[in-house]
Amino acid sequence: KQEVTQIPAALSVPEGENLVLNCSFTDSAIYNLQWFRQDPGKGLTSLLLIQSSQREQTSGRLNASLDKSSGRSTLYIAASQPGDSATYLCAVFGNTDKLIFGTGTRLQVFP
Amino acid sequence: GAGVSQSPSNKVTEKGKDVELRCDPISGHTALYWYRQSLGQGLEFLIYFQGNSAPDKSGLPSDRFSAERTGGSVSTLTIQRTQQEDSAVYLCASSLVGFTDTQYFGPGTRLTVL
Repeated sequence: KQEVTQIPAALSVPEGENLVLNCSFTDSAIYNLQWFRQDPGKGLTSLLLIQSSQREQTSGRLNASLDKSSGRSTLYIAASQPGDSATYLCAVFGNTDKLIFGTGTRLQVFP
Repeated sequence: GAGVSQSPSNKVTEKGKDVELRCDPISGHTALYWYRQSLGQGLEFLIYFQGNSAPDKSGLPSDRFSAERTGGSVSTLTIQRTQQEDSAVYLCASSLVGFTDTQYFGPGTRLTVL
Protein backbone atom coordinates (compact mmCIF):
# COMPACT_ATOMS: atom_id res chain seq x y z
CA LYS A 1 0.00 0.00 0.00
CA GLN A 2 1.38 3.37 -1.04
CA GLU A 3 2.10 5.75 1.81
CA VAL A 4 3.19 9.34 1.33
CA THR A 5 4.92 11.28 4.10
CA GLN A 6 5.92 14.92 4.22
CA ILE A 7 8.56 16.47 6.41
CA PRO A 8 8.48 18.83 8.16
CA ALA A 9 4.84 18.98 9.22
CA ALA A 10 5.15 22.70 9.88
CA LEU A 11 7.72 25.35 9.11
CA SER A 12 7.97 29.00 10.08
CA VAL A 13 10.65 31.15 8.45
CA PRO A 14 11.48 34.82 7.88
CA GLU A 15 10.93 36.32 4.48
CA GLY A 16 13.73 35.83 1.98
CA GLU A 17 14.87 32.40 3.06
CA ASN A 18 15.28 29.53 0.61
CA LEU A 19 13.21 26.51 1.65
CA VAL A 20 13.16 22.78 1.03
CA LEU A 21 10.04 20.73 1.60
CA ASN A 22 10.35 16.96 1.52
CA CYS A 23 8.02 14.24 0.30
CA SER A 24 8.69 10.52 0.49
CA PHE A 25 6.67 7.60 -0.83
CA THR A 26 6.96 3.90 -0.12
CA ASP A 27 6.16 2.43 -3.54
CA SER A 28 8.47 3.70 -6.25
CA ALA A 29 6.22 2.41 -9.05
CA ILE A 30 4.60 5.76 -9.74
CA TYR A 31 3.58 7.45 -12.97
CA ASN A 32 3.79 11.00 -11.70
CA LEU A 33 4.02 13.22 -8.64
CA GLN A 34 2.32 16.55 -8.10
CA TRP A 35 2.87 19.39 -5.67
CA PHE A 36 -0.11 21.48 -4.58
CA ARG A 37 -0.68 24.39 -2.26
CA GLN A 38 -3.80 24.85 -0.19
CA ASP A 39 -4.77 28.15 1.33
CA PRO A 40 -7.00 28.12 4.43
CA GLY A 41 -10.62 27.42 3.58
CA LYS A 42 -9.89 26.98 -0.10
CA GLY A 43 -9.29 24.23 -2.60
CA LEU A 44 -5.96 23.08 -3.94
CA THR A 45 -3.83 24.82 -6.52
CA SER A 46 -1.53 22.68 -8.61
CA LEU A 47 2.06 23.95 -8.57
CA LEU A 48 4.12 21.39 -10.44
CA LEU A 49 3.59 17.99 -12.05
CA ILE A 50 6.58 15.71 -12.57
CA GLN A 51 6.20 12.66 -14.78
CA SER A 52 8.08 9.52 -13.71
CA SER A 53 10.53 9.94 -16.58
CA GLN A 54 11.47 13.45 -15.44
CA ARG A 55 13.95 14.53 -12.80
CA GLU A 56 12.68 18.01 -12.09
CA GLN A 57 10.25 20.76 -13.00
CA THR A 58 10.55 24.49 -12.48
CA SER A 59 8.00 27.27 -12.28
CA GLY A 60 9.17 30.71 -11.24
CA ARG A 61 10.67 30.50 -7.76
CA LEU A 62 9.62 26.88 -7.39
CA ASN A 63 11.66 23.84 -8.33
CA ALA A 64 10.55 20.28 -7.71
CA SER A 65 12.83 17.28 -8.07
CA LEU A 66 11.97 13.61 -8.24
CA ASP A 67 14.15 10.63 -7.35
CA LYS A 68 11.79 7.78 -8.10
CA SER A 69 14.14 4.97 -7.17
CA SER A 70 14.63 6.31 -3.67
CA GLY A 71 11.00 7.35 -3.29
CA ARG A 72 11.69 11.03 -2.72
CA SER A 73 10.71 14.42 -4.02
CA THR A 74 11.69 17.86 -2.84
CA LEU A 75 10.05 21.21 -3.42
CA TYR A 76 12.50 24.09 -3.36
CA ILE A 77 11.13 27.59 -2.79
CA ALA A 78 13.58 30.37 -3.49
CA ALA A 79 13.47 33.75 -1.77
CA SER A 80 10.33 32.98 0.20
CA GLN A 81 7.62 35.63 0.58
CA PRO A 82 4.70 36.03 3.02
CA GLY A 83 2.37 35.15 0.14
CA ASP A 84 3.93 31.70 0.04
CA SER A 85 2.31 30.92 3.39
CA ALA A 86 0.03 27.93 2.85
CA THR A 87 -0.10 24.18 3.28
CA TYR A 88 1.92 22.32 0.67
CA LEU A 89 0.81 18.86 -0.36
CA CYS A 90 2.49 16.28 -2.54
CA ALA A 91 0.54 13.50 -4.23
CA VAL A 92 1.56 10.46 -6.24
CA PHE A 93 -0.25 8.51 -8.91
CA GLY A 94 0.74 4.87 -9.23
CA ASN A 95 -0.76 1.51 -10.02
CA THR A 96 -4.07 2.22 -8.34
CA ASP A 97 -6.55 4.53 -10.02
CA LYS A 98 -6.24 7.18 -7.38
CA LEU A 99 -4.05 10.04 -6.28
CA ILE A 100 -2.44 9.41 -2.89
CA PHE A 101 -1.76 12.56 -0.90
CA GLY A 102 0.85 13.25 1.70
CA THR A 103 0.14 14.69 5.11
CA GLY A 104 1.19 18.20 4.12
CA THR A 105 3.66 20.82 5.31
CA ARG A 106 2.16 23.96 6.80
CA LEU A 107 4.41 26.87 5.87
CA GLN A 108 4.39 30.31 7.42
CA VAL A 109 6.64 33.03 6.05
CA PHE A 110 6.74 36.12 8.22
CA PRO A 111 7.86 39.60 7.16
CA GLY B 1 -15.73 27.78 -17.67
CA ALA B 2 -12.88 29.62 -16.00
CA GLY B 3 -12.37 26.99 -13.35
CA VAL B 4 -13.98 24.17 -11.43
CA SER B 5 -17.04 25.29 -9.51
CA GLN B 6 -18.84 23.53 -6.71
CA SER B 7 -22.17 24.13 -5.04
CA PRO B 8 -23.23 24.70 -2.43
CA SER B 9 -20.15 26.19 -0.78
CA ASN B 10 -21.56 25.32 2.62
CA LYS B 11 -24.21 22.81 3.63
CA VAL B 12 -25.55 22.19 7.11
CA THR B 13 -27.88 19.25 7.46
CA GLU B 14 -29.41 17.07 10.11
CA LYS B 15 -28.32 13.53 10.70
CA GLY B 16 -30.32 11.12 8.56
CA LYS B 17 -31.04 13.56 5.74
CA ASP B 18 -29.81 13.12 2.18
CA VAL B 19 -27.54 15.68 0.54
CA GLU B 20 -26.42 16.35 -3.00
CA LEU B 21 -23.17 18.07 -3.84
CA ARG B 22 -22.55 19.40 -7.32
CA CYS B 23 -19.40 19.86 -9.34
CA ASP B 24 -18.98 21.73 -12.63
CA PRO B 25 -15.62 20.84 -14.18
CA ILE B 26 -13.57 22.93 -16.55
CA SER B 27 -15.11 22.81 -20.01
CA GLY B 28 -13.50 20.10 -22.14
CA HIS B 29 -12.02 18.15 -19.25
CA THR B 30 -12.93 14.49 -19.57
CA ALA B 31 -11.73 13.37 -16.14
CA LEU B 32 -13.42 14.39 -12.90
CA TYR B 33 -12.46 13.49 -9.34
CA TRP B 34 -14.05 13.66 -5.90
CA TYR B 35 -12.06 13.91 -2.67
CA ARG B 36 -12.90 14.33 0.98
CA GLN B 37 -10.88 16.31 3.53
CA SER B 38 -11.87 15.71 7.11
CA LEU B 39 -10.73 17.94 9.96
CA GLY B 40 -7.23 17.00 11.01
CA GLN B 41 -6.91 14.37 8.31
CA GLY B 42 -5.45 14.28 4.87
CA LEU B 43 -7.15 14.24 1.53
CA GLU B 44 -9.04 11.04 0.82
CA PHE B 45 -9.75 9.99 -2.75
CA LEU B 46 -13.38 8.96 -3.28
CA ILE B 47 -14.04 8.35 -6.96
CA TYR B 48 -13.14 9.48 -10.44
CA PHE B 49 -14.96 9.62 -13.76
CA GLN B 50 -13.58 9.13 -17.21
CA GLY B 51 -16.31 10.61 -19.31
CA ASN B 52 -19.55 9.42 -17.75
CA SER B 53 -18.22 6.19 -16.33
CA ALA B 54 -16.54 5.51 -13.01
CA PRO B 55 -14.16 2.54 -13.38
CA ASP B 56 -13.55 2.12 -9.67
CA LYS B 57 -16.03 2.92 -6.92
CA SER B 58 -14.12 1.20 -4.13
CA GLY B 59 -12.96 4.51 -2.68
CA LEU B 60 -16.46 5.49 -1.63
CA PRO B 61 -16.65 5.20 2.19
CA SER B 62 -19.94 3.30 2.30
CA ASP B 63 -22.96 2.36 0.22
CA ARG B 64 -24.62 5.56 1.41
CA PHE B 65 -22.34 7.40 -1.00
CA SER B 66 -23.01 7.49 -4.72
CA ALA B 67 -21.88 9.65 -7.59
CA GLU B 68 -22.90 10.18 -11.14
CA ARG B 69 -21.85 12.26 -14.07
CA THR B 70 -24.08 13.11 -16.98
CA GLY B 71 -23.21 14.43 -20.41
CA GLY B 72 -19.53 14.17 -19.61
CA SER B 73 -19.78 17.37 -17.61
CA VAL B 74 -21.58 18.03 -14.33
CA SER B 75 -21.22 15.52 -11.51
CA THR B 76 -23.23 15.05 -8.34
CA LEU B 77 -22.10 13.31 -5.19
CA THR B 78 -25.02 12.07 -3.12
CA ILE B 79 -24.83 11.06 0.51
CA GLN B 80 -27.87 9.29 1.85
CA ARG B 81 -28.86 9.13 5.52
CA THR B 82 -26.00 11.42 6.51
CA GLN B 83 -24.01 10.70 9.65
CA GLN B 84 -21.91 13.07 11.76
CA GLU B 85 -18.73 11.39 10.53
CA ASP B 86 -19.64 12.54 7.01
CA SER B 87 -18.85 16.11 8.06
CA ALA B 88 -15.92 17.25 5.92
CA VAL B 89 -14.93 19.40 3.00
CA TYR B 90 -15.73 17.67 -0.27
CA LEU B 91 -13.43 18.69 -3.08
CA CYS B 92 -13.91 18.15 -6.77
CA ALA B 93 -11.20 18.34 -9.43
CA SER B 94 -10.99 17.89 -13.17
CA SER B 95 -8.22 17.23 -15.65
CA LEU B 96 -7.99 17.18 -19.41
CA VAL B 97 -7.56 13.45 -19.92
CA GLY B 98 -6.76 11.57 -16.74
CA PHE B 99 -4.32 11.04 -13.91
CA THR B 100 -1.33 11.89 -16.07
CA ASP B 101 -2.53 15.48 -16.29
CA THR B 102 -2.60 18.33 -13.81
CA GLN B 103 -5.74 18.29 -11.70
CA TYR B 104 -7.56 21.57 -11.13
CA PHE B 105 -9.54 21.80 -7.94
CA GLY B 106 -12.75 23.56 -7.06
CA PRO B 107 -13.17 25.53 -3.81
CA GLY B 108 -14.98 22.66 -2.11
CA THR B 109 -18.25 22.16 -0.28
CA ARG B 110 -18.09 22.25 3.50
CA LEU B 111 -20.62 19.74 4.81
CA THR B 112 -21.68 19.83 8.45
CA VAL B 113 -23.96 17.11 9.78
CA LEU B 114 -25.60 18.01 13.09
